[in-house]
Amino acid sequence: GNSVTQMEGPVTLSEEAFLTINCTYTATGYPSLFWYVQYPGEGLQLLLKATKADDKGSNKGFEATYRKETTSFHLEKGSVQVSDSAVYFCALSDEETSGSRLTFGEGTQLTVNP
Amino acid sequence: GAVVSQHPSWVICKSGTSVKIECRSLDFQATTMFWYRQFPKQSLMLMATSNEGSKATYEQGVEKDKFLINHASLTLSTLTVTSAHPEDSSFYICSARSGLAGPQETQYFGPGTRLLVL
Repeated sequence: GNSVTQMEGPVTLSEEAFLTINCTYTATGYPSLFWYVQYPGEGLQLLLKATKADDKGSNKGFEATYRKETTSFHLEKGSVQVSDSAVYFCALSDEETSGSRLTFGEGTQLTVNP
Repeated sequence: GAVVSQHPSWVICKSGTSVKIECRSLDFQATTMFWYRQFPKQSLMLMATSNEGSKATYEQGVEKDKFLINHASLTLSTLTVTSAHPEDSSFYICSARSGLAGPQETQYFGPGTRLLVL
């Protein structure tokens, strides 16, 4: 079946530091890949997505590239801000085997200190 | 972007009682809604997929008679936890999808409902 593995948290960084949150996946079909962010007390928000190999999703300074050869979709940001503190979820949606249902990783708590 | 609300945000109940959680899409029509459960420091686990006007599709291992789902309109789905027990205590999150299934579809998530069963 489908699965998503994220690097364990929590991650604590200073403002303006470089961020990488690793995400790898297992899927039997050709999934779309997503990063969702959950700010304290709020629902999950779509941060970025990529629907095919070598696609790069980007939003708010965050980027992730769909790497089929390494089955990865690592999230990066060059300079984090305090306001980026949140929980980040990697997810996949496999049309062929799951009919658009999302499979989530465990989530990674990010704390950015001033 | 599209907004999904949940009510209540917090609920505490006694063991054996039933609890209803509402999920509403506020500014779009949701043909499909999803219900997830999240334990502390764990991932979201899909419980069921709810299509407007038809019966929900439950994931393996989810008791359909315990977690009743009704999707009576294009803007409202409800999850009722029947005869709740302490092990049902969890964070329940819904999401709604506005478009047709496919790579471009986006699910919009509600803020979640925290249930504590005493």
